[in-house]
Amino acid sequence: KNEVEQSPQNLTAQEGEFITINCSYSVGISALHWLQQHPGGGIVSLFMLSSGKKKHGRLIATINIQEKHSSLHITASHPRDSAVYICAVSSGNQFYFGTGTSLTVIP
Amino acid sequence: DSGVTQTPKHLITATGQRVTLRCSPRSGDLSVYWYQQSLDQGLQFLIQYYNGEERAKGNILERFSAQQFPDLHSELNLSSLELGDSALYFCASSVDMGSEQYFGPGTRLTVT
Repeated sequence: KNEVEQSPQNLTAQEGEFITINCSYSVGISALHWLQQHPGGGIVSLFMLSSGKKKHGRLIATINIQEKHSSLHITASHPRDSAVYICAVSSGNQFYFGTGTSLTVIP
Repeated sequence: DSGVTQTPKHLITATGQRVTLRCSPRSGDLSVYWYQQSLDQGLQFLIQYYNGEERAKGNILERFSAQQFPDLHSELNLSSLELGDSALYFCASSVDMGSEQYFGPGTRLTVT
């Protein structure tokens, strides 16, 4: 049983396209995190949110607590956005991770 | 650069051995987290420390242990290593519990 489910698993887009990655969770949470992992392996925290919506540059993250669902949007996608995007939730004193969405943006 | 450092970057060792991974948090961060990322299991939370005290435990095996020292750096000890322990081990830090986490570059452990 996975506490966090992501879709799609893999995503290929043309440069400039609008991209959406979805995350559903089954546990009560104190926060939801979106992480980015580049091929070199390093992990960067993109967003931490517990309600509503956050925006940073071309990235937007939303969360619907009632539906236990979050989305990560990338506007005007660029090849440098190619990475694995991981959804994670803080639940009590535990952390659960999705399996990640591998995004490839083609020039 | 997140400000979190991990050493060593790579580690190759044999089954049955013991290794120690080290993490230095960002300046001012009191909380340290350890995670394991393997090909078959993905990212998993191992353990969290806050200001020297263990605060949460995840899927950490009994063969693994960790501690956070007075200078706030942390070490993860892995013993009786098995092939399945081969993975990337990440450390992250945050100002306090529940704050945004900053990840280190990871230690790639290969058990042969």
